[in-house]
Amino acid sequence: KAGVTQTPRYLIKTRGQQVTLSCSPISGHRSVSWYQQTPGQGLQFLFEYFSETQRNKGNFPGRFSGRQFSNSRSEMNVSTLELGDSALYLCASSSGMSTEAFFGQGTRLTVV
Amino acid sequence: QQQVKQSPQSLIVQKGGISIINCAYENTAFDYFPWYQQFPGKGPALLIAIRPDVSEKKEGRFTISFNKSAKQFSLHIMDSQPGDSATYFCAASISSSNTGKLIFGQGTTLQVKP
Repeated sequence: KAGVTQTPRYLIKTRGQQVTLSCSPISGHRSVSWYQQTPGQGLQFLFEYFSETQRNKGNFPGRFSGRQFSNSRSEMNVSTLELGDSALYLCASSSGMSTEAFFGQGTRLTVV
Repeated sequence: QQQVKQSPQSLIVQKGGISIINCAYENTAFDYFPWYQQFPGKGPALLIAIRPDVSEKKEGRFTISFNKSAKQFSLHIMDSQPGDSATYFCAASISSSNTGKLIFGQGTTLQVKP
């Protein structure tokens, strides 16, 4: 079984731009959660999608948004990038019925 | 209430020794407690998890001890090896909330010296 795939692995963007990150969950998994990892704040929950619906949302500004497609693949979008958005963005895949979550390798976003 | 506090921040252990990482929580609604291991450049990997109906769970060299009354749980790595050098995160969630949201501790960087 293939694991969780995140693309791209690395991104460099300029302040003010927008970015879209992609996550393909484990086959058969219907839940995708997104997390931001920084040295200062650790791992913080952004949002979760299940069957194309946002099921939960963390405390991030509206510049952070996401969506999920019918094949369970998910995208996360960050608009008007700020320097502080530089982080490792991780997605986690789960069946949606169980709490076991499996992470991808992440997308390293650098905002300059 | 939603926090999970993890200690120590860093840990150095000799090869063959026991590594112990502790976590504490406040929200008694939490009912699923996983531990993740993360190597540099990689995503966190699920190591072992426990639910409050058991006080201990062992998988190979890794053991979770759970103290429901104290609202604490810990990871013990027996016979620690240099390959165990990584960052470890505890986490908690409420499975009945029907959401995948995990609340993570701040992480512990473990170095196992040969």
